[in-house]
Amino acid sequence: GNSVTQMEGPVTLSEEAFLTINCTYTATGYPSLFWYVQYPGEGLQLLLKATKADDKGSNKGFEATYRKETTSFHLEKGSVQVSDSAVYFCALFPNTGNQFYFGTGTSLTVIP
Amino acid sequence: EPEVTQTPSHQVTQMGQEVILRCVPISNHLYFYWYRQILGQKVEFLVSFYNNEISEKSEIFDDQFSVERPDGSNFTLKIRSTKLEDSAMYFCASGSVATDTQYFGPGTRLTVL
Repeated sequence: GNSVTQMEGPVTLSEEAFLTINCTYTATGYPSLFWYVQYPGEGLQLLLKATKADDKGSNKGFEATYRKETTSFHLEKGSVQVSDSAVYFCALFPNTGNQFYFGTGTSLTVIP
Repeated sequence: EPEVTQTPSHQVTQMGQEVILRCVPISNHLYFYWYRQILGQKVEFLVSFYNNEISEKSEIFDDQFSVERPDGSNFTLKIRSTKLEDSAMYFCASGSVATDTQYFGPGTRLTVL
């Protein structure tokens, strides 16, 4: 079946620190992989996506690489800002079907 | 930029009561979804809706749940007789086509006492 496992939170970092949030998946077929972000009081917003193995998604300084061999899609950012404080969700969308499979979300707090 | 809105942001209800959660999808979208997240657990798919009927539903979406598009703008999720375990954040989403491009609302936190 399809499922996503992501790193438990909460995560607290100082400004300019390096961020990694781990995400692994199980899937039948060849899913697309996503990171969504939810800022306080707002909806889930697409942060980045990758649709096939070895693709790298990137946006706003965040990156994640679709690793088929390790079934992973870890989120990284070289230097976090206070404004990056949010909840981050890893998700997959299978190549058949019409629904997302999400992880539990990881809360990130960046302190000045 | 158009966005999906949901009301209320927080609903508190007594066990056994009916609740209706409301969503206003993006105006030209045709595909509508509900997901939920019980505290500390994964965001789970509940149901998808297209052309005025359910196109897919999960095992969670039992007879206690129903969805409706009562007019041209709203998309509602009704829980007929709430249980304690229905306490969760409920997210609505919409899309213009049946793909992975789904736009999510901010969620309604439902608390059942």
